[in-house]
Amino acid sequence: EAGVTQFPSHSVIEKGQTVTLRCDPISGHDNLYWYRRVMGKEIKFLLHFVKESKQDESGMPNNRFLAERTGGTYSTLKVQPAELEDSGVYFCASSQGQISSPLHFGNGTRLTVT
Amino acid sequence: SQQGEEDPQALSIQEGENATMNCSYKTSINNLQWYRQNSGRGLVHLILIRSNEREKHSGRLRVTLDTSKKSSSLLITASRAADTASYFCAFHTGGFKTIFGAGTRLFVKA
Repeated sequence: EAGVTQFPSHSVIEKGQTVTLRCDPISGHDNLYWYRRVMGKEIKFLLHFVKESKQDESGMPNNRFLAERTGGTYSTLKVQPAELEDSGVYFCASSQGQISSPLHFGNGTRLTVT
Repeated sequence: SQQGEEDPQALSIQEGENATMNCSYKTSINNLQWYRQNSGRGLVHLILIRSNEREKHSGRLRVTLDTSKKSSSLLITASRAADTASYFCAFHTGGFKTIFGAGTRLFVKA
């Protein structure tokens, strides 16, 4: 089966610009998560989708971040306008079934805001 | 904070030696998991231990869990250069949200 894919792998943008990250989960996985890792620190939860519905967006830093999951398939995470502190690696993960089901991660998008 | 904390932050050992990484957390958990991340790649699930278990094995991996001390350890026996990676503990406190720590960077010298 194809794994979780993320696009782009790297993005360099200027402060104030907009960036959209995309995640394609494993087919059939209802649960989709976004995480962020900044400067080698902990991997922080951003939000969780079940199919197309946002179940938990408690980790979204502010209203400059908008996540969508059209039709319960792929997801996008838009940052608008980007700030310097948004730099980091954004990971997407998907899972199916129980709470304890392992997460399957994509390789991440490295975002650099200059 | 609900984040897990791994210790040490970095570990360098010779091939063939054992590597031990520790994780501490502050809340009650349902289960604890360990993940590995190779540089530039996504995290890969290694093993899960439930809150009512004390020890679990998988190949060269041994995980222990002490809920009274709110801590877990991951032991990799007979390490190999291919084990070089970052290792993260992760846990659930109730819902679907998986909480990760900052990881331990392991370097195994050939």
